[in-house]
Amino acid sequence: EAQVTQNPRYLITVTGKKLTVTCSQNMNHEYMSWYRQDPGLGLRQIYYSMNVEVTDKGDVPEGYKVSRKEKRNFPLILESPSPNQTSLYFCASSSWGNEQYFGPGTRLTVT
Amino acid sequence: AQTVTQSQPEMSVQEAETVTLSCTYDTSESNYYLFWYKQPPSRQMILVIRQEAYKQQNATENRFSVNFQKAAKSFSLKISDSQLGDTAMYFCAFNPLSTFAGGTSYGKLTFGQGTILTVHP
Repeated sequence: EAQVTQNPRYLITVTGKKLTVTCSQNMNHEYMSWYRQDPGLGLRQIYYSMNVEVTDKGDVPEGYKVSRKEKRNFPLILESPSPNQTSLYFCASSSWGNEQYFGPGTRLTVT
Repeated sequence: AQTVTQSQPEMSVQEAETVTLSCTYDTSESNYYLFWYKQPPSRQMILVIRQEAYKQQNATENRFSVNFQKAAKSFSLKISDSQLGDTAMYFCAFNPLSTFAGGTSYGKLTFGQGTILTVHP
């Protein structure tokens, strides 16, 4: 089954404790991306990647890191999480010219 | 920078009736894609319809159709014969095509703020 998976689905952590949210797709897509969704703001792009070793900033990259060492994986790293990073996070992938397939979302709470 | 505006935070419609959700965008790009995504209470993001900017013909998918006005930078979604399962948050999204040394690819994707649609029985 073609899909984008994210782990964990739910995470509660404390300020400053480094964490990684994994994202994996099995569709051989070149393009992958991370978004955060906050009430009243819609989805905002954090980082995107057009292919292996090619990443670029989205609209809200501050406080986040990404890497694309393999085509299928695109982890999101929060080196020192803060409460303002409490949000719902989505990973997505697509091939060129087609719609993005979204993962199920990760609900992150930073206390 | 691109912006996408959905001016209707909430809409409601009776089952079997027609409703139109508005979306406007601002860009200097000439090549891009536009999308409508649906997010039901499960939070899963589901593609409803897409439109390529170079195509003048409006996209349709069963009960869903768009009114794409490129000069006006408008991209509205019409849902005909509304069903209870259409109740969801709807997002308009803009995706430019970026040209780089190796060719072209998607660039930064921008979403609108969303419209909550409620279909009443």
